[in-house]
Amino acid sequence: AQSVTQLDSHVSVSEGTPVLLRCNYSSSYSPSLFWYVQHPNKGLQLLLKYTSAATLVKGINGFEAEFKKSETSFHLTKPSAHMSDAAEYFCVVSRETGANNLFFGTGTRLTVIP
Amino acid sequence: DGGITQSPKYLFRKEGQNVTLSCEQNLNHDAMYWYRQDPGQGLRLIYYSQIVNDFQKGDIAEGYSVSREKKESFPLTVTSAQKNPTAFYLCASSRSSVPGQGFYEQYFGPGTRLTVT
Repeated sequence: AQSVTQLDSHVSVSEGTPVLLRCNYSSSYSPSLFWYVQHPNKGLQLLLKYTSAATLVKGINGFEAEFKKSETSFHLTKPSAHMSDAAEYFCVVSRETGANNLFFGTGTRLTVIP
Repeated sequence: DGGITQSPKYLFRKEGQNVTLSCEQNLNHDAMYWYRQDPGQGLRLIYYSQIVNDFQKGDIAEGYSVSREKKESFPLTVTSAQKNPTAFYLCASSRSSVPGQGFYEQYFGPGTRLTVT
């Protein structure tokens, strides 16, 4: 069965410093992987997705993630945090069974300190 | 603008009452989904539908019901049998995946916050 582990429930960074949000996954096949962002009381917005093409995936707002099969990781990074990046981030893996279904991690809350 | 609408944004009900949450999309997507979000638990799948007039239970379907009579609409009813209905409910839609061609991203609505007292 597949699973997603977001290693930090809360990350705090200063504005202008790098962001690293960690995600490990478990899957018996080559999954599709996604990062979504959610601002308070809002729906989720896709940041980026990996679907077995290039292992380094670039997304919106300067975010990128690298798929590392040997480490079963898909960490999200950004070189320089902005105040508007403060939100909840979800790492998501495709399910092994069941249509186009996805399995969500429990989320990492990013705080940006001015 | 194409997108997903959910109404209302906030909903209050008394315990023992059924309540229906609306979800409409104009993205021409075949697949639609309902999720429940609780603090610290991420999103959990309630029901999904790959095509009109068909739907499947997700991980936490007990106490919920859905219908899919139109491609654009996928309403969710929270019944009185749901023991802890207070939560944030999110609807999503996507293209239907084809085996061997990867997964498509899901597009989300703004959510409905349901409070039952």
